[in-house]
Amino acid sequence: GAVVSQHPSRVICKSGTSVKIECRSLDFQATTMFWYRQFPKQSLMLMATSNEGSKATYEQGVEKDKFLINHASLTLSTLTVTSAHPEDSSFYICSATSEGVAGTDTQYFGPGTRLTVL
Amino acid sequence: EDQVTQSPEALRLQEGESSSLNCSYTVSGLRGLFWYRQDPGKGPEFLFTLYSAGEEKEKERLKATLTKKESFLHITAPKPEDSATYLCAVPPEGSNYKLTFGKGTLLTVNP
Repeated sequence: GAVVSQHPSRVICKSGTSVKIECRSLDFQATTMFWYRQFPKQSLMLMATSNEGSKATYEQGVEKDKFLINHASLTLSTLTVTSAHPEDSSFYICSATSEGVAGTDTQYFGPGTRLTVL
Repeated sequence: EDQVTQSPEALRLQEGESSSLNCSYTVSGLRGLFWYRQDPGKGPEFLFTLYSAGEEKEKERLKATLTKKESFLHITAPKPEDSATYLCAVPPEGSNYKLTFGKGTLLTVNP
């Protein structure tokens, strides 16, 4: 149980184009979804938190107009990298939460999307 | 500032050589400590959640323990397939939903 998928797993695009990444919870309804990016040999950095039907909450320093997040349903969230540039190349990972105990939700992660901007 | 520190950064073991990874945290009022395993080029895989000091959880060759200031991930008789980066994370103060991650320990188990 608690499976999260991401699509695509790998994408290469030209500078200036936009790229959309999908994150789906396959066997549970996610109350909240998160988007992270990870640079080589570094840990995960939270970009934004999204709840179904409401605007995403972005972490400090993350451009909300560049990284558009749409949380259309309890099983789907999308991240669109607009006007991508080479510095946006990274590994993007989503996670989804399922109700846990003691008021803390366990995050289940997707397999990640490798974005390369040429 | 909430901090999660993992040590060592990297650990090389021979197959069958047991050891422990450490995760120390400074967040007050801990509301869960999470352990994940991450293979290269993949998303983290959930292993354990610990909520209170003294709690222990086991899964195959892994056992996680928790004190008031740190957690240990004990690996007993590891196999090469246990090679991965092990991450620990805690919810920062004031949030039940976010996670603050440590930098991880890269474990390599040689046959």
